[in-house]
Amino acid sequence: DAKTTQPNSMESNEEEPVHLPCNHSTISGTDYIHWYRQLPSQGPEYVIHGLTSNVNNRMASLAIAEDRKSSTLILHRATLRDAAVYYCILRDRDDKIIFGKGTRLHILP
Amino acid sequence: DTGVSQDPRHKITKRGQNVTFRCDPISEHNRLYWYRQTLGQGPEFLTYFQNEAQLEKSRLLSDRFSAERPKGSFSTLEIQRTEQGDSAMYLCASSLIGGMNTEAFFGQGTRLTVV
Repeated sequence: DAKTTQPNSMESNEEEPVHLPCNHSTISGTDYIHWYRQLPSQGPEYVIHGLTSNVNNRMASLAIAEDRKSSTLILHRATLRDAAVYYCILRDRDDKIIFGKGTRLHILP
Repeated sequence: DTGVSQDPRHKITKRGQNVTFRCDPISEHNRLYWYRQTLGQGPEFLTYFQNEAQLEKSRLLSDRFSAERPKGSFSTLEIQRTEQGDSAMYLCASSLIGGMNTEAFFGQGTRLTVV
């Protein structure tokens, strides 16, 4: 079963920042927090991951709470191409990737 | 390397027929995963491999489903005696061992329609 909780959907205006929350209160010390997104009619694609510290890459930033029980994916300037379902996933030593329902992000022009 | 490729992209079959899908992972990736996704749902884990060894098979997976990765490279997923409820997108992904600290790469999927 998925070990994360995300809102079903969110809306944002184009060219504005988007903060996608994820709760993972049962996270263990060795779980990595991963984010993937799935554009319409495509397979999921990796966005970002982290363990304890905040992370930045060309796509997004990941802010991890100090107690690691929640995290936030930040898209700094949303575009229409960012409309997708975003999945927050915990990966443990078993390496399985277990998806939940994700957050469907709508971008308004 | 062009990423994870899946074949075919679409398959229409009659109920009761057997179907087989192929996944070619990224060449150096040891881990290979299979998922099933129905409309409006997140991908559902089916099984995964480390090289040629099948590590786990979802308890939700019936005995009609079998997966192999005979030489630790490509993998096949076979569904025997297909049912209409098997209609879904079947996704394959690959990653390196220790993948909890690396990314997984997904294919475009095989869309199965059982009529």
